[in-house]
Amino acid sequence: NAGVTQTPKFQVLKTGQSMTLQCAQDMNHEYMSWYRQDPGMGLRLIHYSVGAGITDQGEVPNGYNVSRSTTEDFPLRLLSAAPSQTSVYFCASRRTVNTEAFFGQGTRLTVV
Amino acid sequence: EDKVVQSPLSLVVHEGDTVTLNCSYEVTNFRSLLWYKQEKKAPTFLFMLTSSGIEKKSGRLSSILDKKELFSILNITATQTGDSAVYLCAVTDSNYQLIWGAGTKLIIKP
Repeated sequence: NAGVTQTPKFQVLKTGQSMTLQCAQDMNHEYMSWYRQDPGMGLRLIHYSVGAGITDQGEVPNGYNVSRSTTEDFPLRLLSAAPSQTSVYFCASRRTVNTEAFFGQGTRLTVV
Repeated sequence: EDKVVQSPLSLVVHEGDTVTLNCSYEVTNFRSLLWYKQEKKAPTFLFMLTSSGIEKKSGRLSSILDKKELFSILNITATQTGDSAVYLCAVTDSNYQLIWGAGTKLIIKP
């Protein structure tokens, strides 16, 4: 049982480049979300989805897009990378909004 | 604005000591409070608390919630070096979003 799988684990981008962080879960969870984690700060919500075809913005959505075409997959797209997007990104899923979140292993992104 | 504050920010103790980590919150329409352990990578779930005064326990770890005073504590007894980690607290708000604290970095010295 893989749980939540994120790829890649590490990525270096140049300013202005675009890329997609992949996230997949095999637990049939309806609720999925993307967070970024920066030193000294808590996890901050970027975007979330309550089910296939439904997405919404979190606390820090600017510069990121998401889509949810299937229950399993929730990719995060960086449209034009900026140094301020250097961070560790986590994908998480929950069976329902009232249950605990399960996290992927994270992607460490550096934008130079 | 909703917020979750953890204290202390960091803590260094010796193996065998007991530690208490704190999490206070100001969240509209509180639904639940969760504790996670993060060791260099993904946070892993420890406890979810929804009712005041009911202790949740797992081995040497335990946690309790006080909804009147708006805080929770996480206790770790007989600490081991493997307990070294960042402990995260999160509160579920009225929209079922998780509001996260900045974490407490716990270092256990042999």
